[in-house]
Amino acid sequence: NAGVTQTPKFQVLKTGQSMTLQCAQDMNHNSMYWYRQDPGMGLRLIYYSASEGTTDKGEVPNGYNVSRLNKREFSLRLESAAPSQTSVYFCATGGLAGGYNEQFFGPGTRLTVL
Amino acid sequence: AQKITQTQPGMFVQEKEAVTLDCTYDTSDQSYGLFWYKQPSSGEMIFLIYQGSYDEQNATEGRYSLNFQKARKSANLVISASQLGDSAMYFCAMREGRDTGFQKLVFGTGTRLLVSP
Repeated sequence: NAGVTQTPKFQVLKTGQSMTLQCAQDMNHNSMYWYRQDPGMGLRLIYYSASEGTTDKGEVPNGYNVSRLNKREFSLRLESAAPSQTSVYFCATGGLAGGYNEQFFGPGTRLTVL
Repeated sequence: AQKITQTQPGMFVQEKEAVTLDCTYDTSDQSYGLFWYKQPSSGEMIFLIYQGSYDEQNATEGRYSLNFQKARKSANLVISASQLGDSAMYFCAMREGRDTGFQKLVFGTGTRLLVSP
């Protein structure tokens, strides 16, 4: 079981370029999440998908779009990258573990926008 | 107002000693959950421990325990017998509302722990 996988691991973009961050899970979880982590600010929720076919905005959605392609995959798209989007991006899934719901994180994508 | 506050940017502890990492939270919900995650220098987020707001006993997982003081709205992580491998960033997080399959987590800004030999 791979758990939660993210591609790519690293990416450098120029301002104005677009890209899609991919996330896939084999945990059969319904909910999926995208977070960004900036120095000194912890993780902040960008978008989430409570179940296949639904998506909704989190705390910092501006400049991003998402697609829940199927139960396994949840992608994050930057249409026109800006330096302020330089960050580490984490995908997570939510599911039961030990009697309570927990989030399981992917390894992260480090994005630099020049 | 910050929902999760971690006031210690950095903590130092000697190997084999215990250390407490502080976390206070702010919510008006009666039902909520508190999580601690570890992030080593390699970058992955590792779940450590969970406390539900209705749990009467403090959660424990091996060397980790959560000192849950509901009236004070604090959920401090206690690491006993620190090891060099405990050096990492530690994040406190909260889920507001009931524990359903879907939950949005709010994270604190983290505490960097350094364990010295």
